[in-house]
Amino acid sequence: GENVEQHPSTLSVQEGDSAVIKCTYSDSASNYFPWYKQELGKRPQLIIDIRSNVGEKKDQRIAVTLNKTAKHFSLHITETQPEDSAVYFCAANNAGKSTFGDGTTLTVKP
Amino acid sequence: DAGVIQSPRHEVTEMGQEVTLRCKPISGHNSLFWYRQTMMRGLELLIYFNNNVPIDDSGMPEDRFSAKMPNASFSTLKIQPSEPRDSAVYFCASSYGLIGTDTQYFGPGTRLTVL
Repeated sequence: GENVEQHPSTLSVQEGDSAVIKCTYSDSASNYFPWYKQELGKRPQLIIDIRSNVGEKKDQRIAVTLNKTAKHFSLHITETQPEDSAVYFCAANNAGKSTFGDGTTLTVKP
Repeated sequence: DAGVIQSPRHEVTEMGQEVTLRCKPISGHNSLFWYRQTMMRGLELLIYFNNNVPIDDSGMPEDRFSAKMPNASFSTLKIQPSEPRDSAVYFCASSYGLIGTDTQYFGPGTRLTVL
């Protein structure tokens, strides 16, 4: 089955700095890679996603890159703000079955 | 749209009791997913349905767990008998379109505590 590894498990940055979270996956058949943000006690919410026919996608301060050859994808957050503090999950999806990374706890210090 | 609706939001029960969690997906969505989240195991897919048919239940931990989707607007996840290790937050999510290529929208979750 699919295996997703996510790094780092915790990340602390100063407000205004950039944050990068990386994930690797094992199943070359995976073709959809969403990123979720989960605040304490809340549901995971999609913040950006990328499909296997695209190498990069950007939405304001958030971008995701995908390298299918190397089987890794990354989340980039620029100009971080305290409200970006949360747990971020990557996932790899194959035919509907999503496998999640273990999450990265991002702390943005004001 | 009201989003994915789950009930109850919190459930406290005693070991051995039957627990039923309920989910109403977003209207028009044709795929429904049940997840379990714990500190130890993270976010795990338990089972998912497409057009009310179970597609993959390989994540269901054991026979004590069962899920049904009798129609497009309702699904249940049942645990019988419940055990303390079943304590977790259970999320339901739904999506529209081809399986695996569309955004999943999560419900608020049911926090289950088994004493």
